[in-house]
Amino acid sequence: AQSVAQPEDQVNVAEGNPLTVKCTYSVSGNPYLFWYVQYPNRGLQFLLKYITGDNLVKGSYGFEAEFNKSQTSFHLKKPSALVSDSALYFCAVRSGRDSNYQLIWGAGTKLIIKP
Amino acid sequence: KAGVTQTPRYLIKTRGQQVTLSCSPISGHRSVSWYQQTPGQGLQFLFEYFSETQRNKGNFPGRFSGRQFSNSRSEMNVSTLELGDSALYLCASSLAGSYVPLWEQYFGPGTRLTVT
Repeated sequence: AQSVAQPEDQVNVAEGNPLTVKCTYSVSGNPYLFWYVQYPNRGLQFLLKYITGDNLVKGSYGFEAEFNKSQTSFHLKKPSALVSDSALYFCAVRSGRDSNYQLIWGAGTKLIIKP
Repeated sequence: KAGVTQTPRYLIKTRGQQVTLSCSPISGHRSVSWYQQTPGQGLQFLFEYFSETQRNKGNFPGRFSGRQFSNSRSEMNVSTLELGDSALYLCASSLAGSYVPLWEQYFGPGTRLTVT
């Protein structure tokens, strides 16, 4: 079965430090992976996606993610955290074949950046 | 360009009633997806409409239905409401394509439905 796991409910990072939000996946076939961010009382916003090609994907707001096929991981990273990065982060993977598909979402990781 | 809009933003209903939620996608986006977000189950895919046709469907009972109009606006209907239907319902639009999830989705702020 297709699945996404975000092993950490919450990640605490000091402002200016690097941050990592973890995501592992299980999918048959080629994985199509996404990161979204949800700020309080707002909808989700797309950050980045991995479809094929370079394992290091760069996205919005200085975020990047590293695709690791052998470890089936797609961790979200940022070299220097900002307080404004505090939000709920979701990893998602496309499931299904051809035109019958849907996005499977992780449970979300709350990122708290402390000044 | 205006973002995805959802109406109403908040809704309180009682068990057994029905409810209709509305979503207006970004101009030019022909695909509209609906999601249910709850603290216990997280984000779950309800269905996706493309060019007025339901193209994909998640694992929800038939009480949940939707439709899409020729202007790509979409409505979602839940009949015979249950307490467990209390959730944030999110709508997302994306550019047309054969493989929609390859295109980023743009989410609305959601409709918070409370069933009492």
